[in-house]
Amino acid sequence: KQEVTQIPAALSVPEGENLVLNCSFTDSAIYNLQWFRQDPGKGLTSLLLIQSSQREQTSGRLNASLDKSSGRSTLYIAASQPGDSATYLCAVEGGSEKLVFGKGTKLTVNP
Amino acid sequence: EAGVAQSPRYKIIEKRQSVAFWCNPISGHATLYWYQQILGQGPKLLIQFQNNGVVDDSQLPKDRFSAERLKGVDSTLKIQPAKLEDSAVYLCASSNGQGTFYEQYFGPGTRLTVT
Repeated sequence: KQEVTQIPAALSVPEGENLVLNCSFTDSAIYNLQWFRQDPGKGLTSLLLIQSSQREQTSGRLNASLDKSSGRSTLYIAASQPGDSATYLCAVEGGSEKLVFGKGTKLTVNP
Repeated sequence: EAGVAQSPRYKIIEKRQSVAFWCNPISGHATLYWYQQILGQGPKLLIQFQNNGVVDDSQLPKDRFSAERLKGVDSTLKIQPAKLEDSAVYLCASSNGQGTFYEQYFGPGTRLTVT
């Protein structure tokens, strides 16, 4: 059974700092990995999707990497802003074609 | 394009009562998902529809939860009777197909509190 773990559970940083969020998964037989953002009272917004054959994806200040063999992914956020404050969720899709989510990392960026 | 719509946004009921949630997916999206997100947890898939057929309901507590998707468009999720542990946010998502290359788009969710 696939399990996804995200560390840390919460993170507070000053504005402008670069930061890394971590995600690990137990079964390396995945099709893809996605990073989502969730704002309070709102649904999930997909940030980046990495196919199993890819090593990384970039979108603006966000960069996600995938090391399938070690079961790890990182989300790098450059020059953080208060508007980046949200919960970030990692999810993997495996043979069941079902997304399995981690519990998320709650990020607070202080002005 | 309009996003995934859900209603109601909030619902408070007493245990043993019944409740229903409604979801309208993005127009043309054949695949629809219902997730349960308990506070502090990631979303867990309850049921997946492809058009109006069920693809996966392995994690749906079928003794109290039911879902339908009539005409392959809107969907309703029902809980009867509700338990305290059903307090959660219920998220609906839709995608343009089934499989690894189709991004899921999520609605705002319905927050259920069972007292």
